[in-house]
Amino acid sequence: GAGVSQTPSNKVTEKGKYVELRCDPISGHTALYWYRQSLGQGPEFLIYFQGTGAADDSGLPNDRFFAVRPEGSVSTLKIQRTERGDSAVYLCASSLGVTGNSGELFFGEGSRLTVL
Amino acid sequence: AQKVTQAQTEISVVEKEDVTLDCVYETRDTTYYLFWYKQPPSGELVFLIRRNSFDEQNEISGRYSWNFQKSTSSFNFTITASQVVDSAVYFCALSEVISNFGNEKLTFGTGTRLTIIP
Repeated sequence: GAGVSQTPSNKVTEKGKYVELRCDPISGHTALYWYRQSLGQGPEFLIYFQGTGAADDSGLPNDRFFAVRPEGSVSTLKIQRTERGDSAVYLCASSLGVTGNSGELFFGEGSRLTVL
Repeated sequence: AQKVTQAQTEISVVEKEDVTLDCVYETRDTTYYLFWYKQPPSGELVFLIRRNSFDEQNEISGRYSWNFQKSTSSFNFTITASQVVDSAVYFCALSEVISNFGNEKLTFGTGTRLTIIP
């Protein structure tokens, strides 16, 4: 499709396991963002990529979280040694990433992570 | 630090009634942007509007209107003649510019769940 695609849509894992969440942004969008949304809360910023580089990773909660975007398109959010508190919906968004654009972020439907 | 407060956790109105969703923000930036997003049950956040801090003119788009008042740090959203399809969670957000490209990091409020009763 033409929108932001996230896989898997649902992931259930056990405490201590490693997970990867994938985001395929809209073609041509150079800016990519990861947000995390806990139940009943608004999305919280995790990391922002401009092209291949992580321009701002100030929202990553700790060093168990890492994200890559090696070719400037698809991004993978990696979580090591998962904890129950990591359970949330992980949202990916992309934008044109150029000055003067509308500022509109296009969001995917999210990956729901449940850590048992 | 930036903060967005949406004091209304849940609102229910009967179809065709008007409804206003409140948003109050805090920032030390002189230049910033305010947003509203809609999150239907599918979970995908849908962009509704972006306003520049220097532009306090109210905006109307169909049944939607926005009232930005810098003096009270508020950016309220009104839906006129509500419809069942308007049922969703609505988020207000405040931006912080984080790159030379003008890209923005959004701080979201906790959202208001709006239910339109047929």
